[in-house]
Amino acid sequence: DAGVIQSPRHEVTEMGQEVTLRCKPISGHNSLFWYRQTMMRGLELLIYFNNNVPIDDSGMPEDRFSAKMPNASFSTLKIQPSEPRDSAVYFCASTGANTEAFFGQGTRLTVV
Amino acid sequence: AQRVTQPEKLLSVFKGAPVELKCNYSYSGSPELFWYVQYSRQRLQLLLRHISRESIKGFTADLNKGETSFHLKKPFAQEEDSAMYYCALGGYNTDKLIFGTGTRLQVFP
Repeated sequence: DAGVIQSPRHEVTEMGQEVTLRCKPISGHNSLFWYRQTMMRGLELLIYFNNNVPIDDSGMPEDRFSAKMPNASFSTLKIQPSEPRDSAVYFCASTGANTEAFFGQGTRLTVV
Repeated sequence: AQRVTQPEKLLSVFKGAPVELKCNYSYSGSPELFWYVQYSRQRLQLLLRHISRESIKGFTADLNKGETSFHLKKPFAQEEDSAMYYCALGGYNTDKLIFGTGTRLQVFP
């Protein structure tokens, strides 16, 4: 298994544009997490899914953020419209039965 | 509610010195505690978890429920230990996994 795969690795976009981040979890894992990493706040949990169902989205900053998991092998995090303060590294992680979280390499988002 | 506190953003030591990275947590249920590490240009990866009670790369961490702490320790730091360290909290009755703000460890030669 190639591990958790995120795309794109880097994204630069203009303020107001829609941004979509993608994640492919490890096959067989039943929980998927989206985190945002910044210097000030470290790793913030935005939302997590269990068996493709959103369980806790209390960390989503505002309505501009949305996440979906249409099937067990794919999830998206969308920001619409994007703002400069959304600039951060966004990580996706998945866990299986033993609760160890495996992380993707992250998407570095820059909103100008 | 689950909460993890890592009070130090940066910890700098010289090679061979002892290291202690602090982590305190708040959780009403039975906690599962982890330490994750992020080396430069690498993915976040699990370093150790409290239920394993093992030493990884010379690091150990003991869960102290009385003090709600899970501090990471190493008696003699090495330069290759320089990295970002995150304490993480899960629970036996939840899949939710939250992280602290992280501590950057710098080990000087």
